[in-house]
Amino acid sequence: DGGITQSPKYLFRKEGQNVTLSCEQNLNHDAMYWYRQDPGQGLRLIYYSQIVNDFQKGDIAEGYSVSREKKESFPLTVTSAQKNPTAFYLCASTLSQATNEKLFFGSGTQLSVL
Amino acid sequence: SQKIEQNSEALNIQEGKTATLTCNYTNYSPAYLQWYRQDPGRGPVFLLLIRENEKEKRKERLKVTFDTTLKQSLFHITASQPADSATYLCALHTGGFKTIFGAGTRLFVKA
Repeated sequence: DGGITQSPKYLFRKEGQNVTLSCEQNLNHDAMYWYRQDPGQGLRLIYYSQIVNDFQKGDIAEGYSVSREKKESFPLTVTSAQKNPTAFYLCASTLSQATNEKLFFGSGTQLSVL
Repeated sequence: SQKIEQNSEALNIQEGKTATLTCNYTNYSPAYLQWYRQDPGRGPVFLLLIRENEKEKRKERLKVTFDTTLKQSLFHITASQPADSATYLCALHTGGFKTIFGAGTRLFVKA
């Protein structure tokens, strides 16, 4: 089955530590996105990538970094500079940015601070 | 400022009734609007898309309306079932890459 796989499902971060969230898709989609979801708030865009080796900052990119070395993969690193990282992180993809009508989401990663 | 508002209070209805969820927005001119379903601890799943020149869209027991004058979308689930219990997210596409999400409304359908 085609889809988006996020791992791990749960992740704990110690103070001063960088952690990386994995996102893999086998939908052959060009565009990929990272969103952050906090209780009572809408999804907020962290980073997005239209094509391999290219990515842009979203609304809340500070304290995060990404890479897009392969079409299938778009990992997100939460750095120690992100002071409030506890949230539910969602990876998504669309066929292309020009046709981003329907977002396909992964099952999410819950990140908590120890 | 630009805002999307969905009822923050949960909606409780009896099985078999019609659930109606509201999405209001200000200071946007969306090309289209989408509704997603999200279960606890899971990612959102796309349900319906309605464009600015469409008044109504249906899919099985789901119906969406879009009033660009009122800046409002209504999402209806007819003959609701306990399995419809979830959080429903409204999302606007304003052009380019940007999709803006509301915080969602939690729906509980009692048997």
